[in-house]
Amino acid sequence: SAVISQKPSRDICQRGTSLTIQCQVDSQVTMMFWYRQQPGQSLTLIATANQGSEATYESGFVIDKFPISRPNLTFSTLTVSNMSPEDSSIYLCSVEGQGYQETQYFGPGTRLLVL
Amino acid sequence: AQTVTQSQPEMSVQEAETVTLSCTYDTSESDYYLFWYKQPPSRQMILVIRQEAYKQQNATENRFSVNFQKAAKSFSLKISDSQLGDAAMYFCAYRSLNTGANSKLTFGKGITLSVRP
Repeated sequence: SAVISQKPSRDICQRGTSLTIQCQVDSQVTMMFWYRQQPGQSLTLIATANQGSEATYESGFVIDKFPISRPNLTFSTLTVSNMSPEDSSIYLCSVEGQGYQETQYFGPGTRLLVL
Repeated sequence: AQTVTQSQPEMSVQEAETVTLSCTYDTSESDYYLFWYKQPPSRQMILVIRQEAYKQQNATENRFSVNFQKAAKSFSLKISDSQLGDAAMYFCAYRSLNTGANSKLTFGKGITLSVRP
């Protein structure tokens, strides 16, 4: 499995501001994903971060609100833009790669509270 | 589109006893993967067990085993000799056999498991 870190681990932000979350993996991986987990809810995929191309967004999520970067095979960022209290969630990145047997492994998550 | 259903929101088990968590799914695909993930209060998602649909043999990992019934589209998790550290939220998840953007996971709503000492 992979060792995945996320920064920051938690943050409290004011509405209208933006926060960038980083996801770092200790090895090169093919696929990186960003999920949102709202309080008391399950995980919902925001987008698939593709290396060298635009991210693929799920229905209900748009690039202007959640811009994603993936500059290389070990790193990705998710920005939550123009935040509102409804964006208060845990944001998790996950990875899947060669040798992982089609299994996703998750980072520790970023707990975001928007006031 | 695939769906995953976990109809029991909460369950409780006595320490050292056995508990079974239920999961059903709906798909038109013949080959796919199924997973159980554990999320303790730390919120870290931890892989518990993985099952390939083309394998008839049920997956096992130490105290954790699954009962995979492909025709019934059922995928339950059995935890034997329950320990206090097993208390967590458990999510059932489905993954298509396809790669790329289609390799996303579809999660059930989760079940909260408590373990009584």
